[in-house]
Amino acid sequence: EVQLVQSGAEVKKPGESLKISCKGSGYSFTSYWIGWVRQMPGKGLEWMGIIYPGDSDSRYSPSFQGQVTISADKSISTAYLQWSSLKASDTAMYYCARGPGYFDYWGQGTLVTVSS
Amino acid sequence: EIVMTQSPATLSVSPGERATLSCRASQSVSSNLAWFQQKPGQAPRLLIYGASTRATGIPARFSGSGSGTEFTLTISSLQSEDFAVYYCQQYDKWPPWTFGQGTKVEIK
Repeated sequence: EVQLVQSGAEVKKPGESLKISCKGSGYSFTSYWIGWVRQMPGKGLEWMGIIYPGDSDSRYSPSFQGQVTISADKSISTAYLQWSSLKASDTAMYYCARGPGYFDYWGQGTLVTVSS
Repeated sequence: EIVMTQSPATLSVSPGERATLSCRASQSVSSNLAWFQQKPGQAPRLLIYGASTRATGIPARFSGSGSGTEFTLTISSLQSEDFAVYYCQQYDKWPPWTFGQGTKVEIK
């Protein structure tokens, strides 16, 4: 069974750094892209970027380029989304999903709250 | 960036009735179009890919059609579990892939 299991909810202060994770199982992790999707409170889905764990090739939406970093550790079948300096506007649910085109399997989401 | 526009924003439908949701792309995306369903507190679920192919386990009452810039998701006879928000997404030209803003299907 294909599963993507994300790390738990986070509460951070503005300016802090954060790295959330997404662990894949039940399939060849290095053969599929993993993407990240943001959903701000009460809003729609936004495609952030994607990575191919096989060679760490990554692509970003222009809206998120330079704001976040996507990485992967294929040895432990885990992809990451990280921020170096959080802002209150980063408060959202973040989903990982298996790609590369349409996302067929999704993680359960990680809620990130940034508040002073 | 390709802009995806969904209509209507909200669709009020009675159980058992047919629902028709539209998605328009700002430029052609061929048939590289997916539909997702999202219920409150849940992750999105893939319904349709390739504009018209149902994903594994999706009931036959869900169907997709269209190509190029105009797409439709039809739910032939709404069940109580179908009331949710539906999103279209193009995956023809990246980055980025882009989602529509969503259509909420609510009980009339």
